[in-house]
Amino acid sequence: KAGVTQTPRYLIKTRGQQVTLSCSPISGHRSVSWYQQTPGQGLQFLFEYFSETQRNKGNFPGRFSGRQFSNSRSEMNVSTLELGDSALYLCASSLEAGAFNEQFFGPGTRLTVL
Amino acid sequence: GENVEQHPSTLSVQEGDSAVIKCTYSDSASNYFPWYKQELGKRPQLIIDIRSNVGEKKDQRIAVTLNKTAKHFSLHITETQPEDSAVYFCAATAGNMLTFGGGTRLMVKP
Repeated sequence: KAGVTQTPRYLIKTRGQQVTLSCSPISGHRSVSWYQQTPGQGLQFLFEYFSETQRNKGNFPGRFSGRQFSNSRSEMNVSTLELGDSALYLCASSLEAGAFNEQFFGPGTRLTVL
Repeated sequence: GENVEQHPSTLSVQEGDSAVIKCTYSDSASNYFPWYKQELGKRPQLIIDIRSNVGEKKDQRIAVTLNKTAKHFSLHITETQPEDSAVYFCAATAGNMLTFGGGTRLMVKP
């Protein structure tokens, strides 16, 4: 099976812009979670989607949003970008919802905000 | 919410030695504790996990121990090899979301 894929792999934006990141899960996986990875904060949970519904949300401002489509593909959107949003954004898919299931990570999208 | 602290942040060992990474968590309801390995420039991958009804779990050179009373769990790597060099993340969850520790950069010197 193909692994989790993310597009684009790299993005450069300026403050105030918005960005949309895409994640395609492993075939058959119905849950997609998003994480922000930074050198200072490590891996932080953003949200989880299952059956097109957001199940859980981490402690991030409302500028961070997401959605999931009927084919389980997911997008994450960040509006009004700030310098501090520069990070590696990882998505992970799992067979079922909930954090007890093994998370299969994608390669990440590296976002740089100038 | 859950808070996971991981120590040390960096660890350097000689090839063949053992390495131990420790994590503490705050939520007594947490009952699943996975460990992920992230090699340089690559994605995190699950290497071992443990559930709260088990005190220890082994997989070849890797073992994880859990002390629920003290709310800490540890990763043990024996006979370390250069390919063990990576960043290791512990995590804890009561089911809703994974909370990760800050990571440990393990360097195995040949």
